[in-house]
Amino acid sequence: DAKTTQPTSMDCAEGRAANLPCNHSTISGNEYVYWYRQIHSQGPQYIIHGLKNNETNEMASLIITEDRKSSTLILPHATLRDTAVYYCIVRVVSSGSARQLTFGSGTQLTVLP
Amino acid sequence: NAGVMQNPRHLVRRRGQEARLRCSPMKGHSHVYWYRQLPEEGLKFMVYLQKENIIDESGMPKERFSAEFPKEGPSILRIQQVVRGDSAAYFCASSPLRGDTEAFFGQGTRLTVV
Repeated sequence: DAKTTQPTSMDCAEGRAANLPCNHSTISGNEYVYWYRQIHSQGPQYIIHGLKNNETNEMASLIITEDRKSSTLILPHATLRDTAVYYCIVRVVSSGSARQLTFGSGTQLTVLP
Repeated sequence: NAGVMQNPRHLVRRRGQEARLRCSPMKGHSHVYWYRQLPEEGLKFMVYLQKENIIDESGMPKERFSAEFPKEGPSILRIQQVVRGDSAAYFCASSPLRGDTEAFFGQGTRLTVV
């Protein structure tokens, strides 16, 4: 699976948008971009995923560049409960099978009051 | 639809004992993944199973660790003759047969070896 590069840490003011970048310059055509987060001591939580189109759900938006070499996760109105480690993962998916998620170091997002 | 259920949530074992960790995937999910998170470290993949089959065990230690996902019942991660270095949080995730969907994680089992 393609490697990803994320900043080690970021701060964001409560109520503002949090924009978390991820570089995945070696991504291949059958790899999806997934975002998960892990709040301290809890199991990872799925946020969103996409292949090449921008995606939005109730938690976040995912913006993928046209060349797919990078993406940005946007939390539109960050709250204190969004403080967590955010993982950007690229994952090979094929019919009937899905490779495991390979977690890097992620970005520690701290939402400040 | 209940989420991924792991039990026990906390497990204490003495060195040399066996640890059995159970994972019940979400209903309709036939893929199970186990991950380990050592203290202050990231999540590391251990094994990927489908019903009655081990698909990828490239992350499993060669000795003392085994995993199964029987036709009926939960997936089991078994650690024989535990050592202090096995103390960690063990997470299970499941996803449905259709691969291009998210994997859902359980809350983990925290194993402490004393």
